[in-house]
Amino acid sequence: QSVLTQPPSASGTPGQRVSISCSGSSSNIGIYTVHWYQQVPGTAPQLLIYNNNQRPSGVPDRFSGSKSGTSASLAISGLQSEDEADYYCAGWDDSLNGVVFGGGTKLTVL
Amino acid sequence: EVQLVQSGAEVKKPGESLKISCKGSGYSFTTHWIGWVRQMPGKGLEWMGIIYPDDSDTKYSPSFQGQVTISADKSITTAYLQWSSLKASDTAIYYCARHGSSSWPAPYDYWGQGTLVTVSS
Repeated sequence: QSVLTQPPSASGTPGQRVSISCSGSSSNIGIYTVHWYQQVPGTAPQLLIYNNNQRPSGVPDRFSGSKSGTSASLAISGLQSEDEADYYCAGWDDSLNGVVFGGGTKLTVL
Repeated sequence: EVQLVQSGAEVKKPGESLKISCKGSGYSFTTHWIGWVRQMPGKGLEWMGIIYPDDSDTKYSPSFQGQVTISADKSITTAYLQWSSLKASDTAIYYCARHGSSSWPAPYDYWGQGTLVTVSS
């Protein structure tokens, strides 16, 4: 059972917009920023969004993040086949005094 | 160019000890926390703990406290994850990752390629 809660799966067709939610609590998302990682099967995770809504250099602006209260969301617009991957939200938790990850969401591009 | 290069895959028997490594290059190794993350077969990411290489200050996840030891040798810019007695349930890919230098808590901005550890009799 992960501290941050994500839907196990999401799907969309090419060109569509999809959104992935991440629910936490007052000891993590409620007080700290949220980061998102993309993991293509067979490869290491990569930072996709940091500090709720910032994109590292090289990440397309089709990817965006937001946070409200104890929840966060990752949105992908103009869905492409190469977006098929697992997506994880993460942040710091005061109670655990460490990093917490969501359980991951497997995105399928139909 | 920032790089984290991990040691190669390992196959061990239950009860054996193991130490895997993560060598950082292309940045100031001593001023960035390094974390270890476990990914069991077909499962998600689990945070194990972090180390600050400059003074070896370490924090562990309660789930891994006492089960593994995280260390670092700043003279050779390398972090380590070790087990004294492996179990079959330790079979997983282990990633090291660097905390960035933006405001704390910073995200993992660079990741190693992962080390597959297989524990089987």
